[in-house]
Amino acid sequence: KAGVTQTPRYLIKTRGQQVTLSCSPISGHRSVSWYQQTPGQGLQFLFEYFSETQRNKGNFPGRFSGRQFSNSRSEMNVSTLELGDSALYLCASSLSPAQETQYFGPGTRLLVL
Amino acid sequence: SQQGEEDPQALSIQEGENATMNCSYKTSINNLQWYRQNSGRGLVHLILIRSNEREKHSGRLRVTLDTSKKSSSLLITASRAADTASYFCATDASMTRQLTFGSGTQLTVLP
Repeated sequence: KAGVTQTPRYLIKTRGQQVTLSCSPISGHRSVSWYQQTPGQGLQFLFEYFSETQRNKGNFPGRFSGRQFSNSRSEMNVSTLELGDSALYLCASSLSPAQETQYFGPGTRLLVL
Repeated sequence: SQQGEEDPQALSIQEGENATMNCSYKTSINNLQWYRQNSGRGLVHLILIRSNEREKHSGRLRVTLDTSKKSSSLLITASRAADTASYFCATDASMTRQLTFGSGTQLTVLP
């Protein structure tokens, strides 16, 4: 079974632009979570989706948004990029919110110049 | 914000030695999980221990949990060079699947 895939793997943007990252969960997994990893703040939870509904959101500004499609694929969007948004963005999937173990993708490394 | 801290921040050992990493957290939890990350890549799930468990084993890994002290430890026995990675503990404090990660321990195993 294929693992979690994220596209693109690397991305360079400039301040003020917006970006969309994509995540395809493991086949059959319906819960998708997003995390941001930076050297200063470490790993921080962004949001979780299940059945196309956002179930939980971390402490991030409204510039960070996401959605989930009927096939469980998820996208996250960051508008009006700031230098501090440079990070590794990780997506994780699980069968359902009841499944405790999450399976992570390789991440998208975003650099904002 | 991070749930807790891990120590040491960095650990360097020789191949064949045991490595112990500690994690402390702040709130009550449902479970605590350990993940490994190689060179800024994705996280690999290692082991999960529930709040009503005290010890768990998986291959060369041994995890303990002390809920009274809000702490956990990960022991890797007979370490190998391939174990070189960052290790993170993550707590699940509710049923929302929002993992809160520690700051991580960078383990280097020298051949």
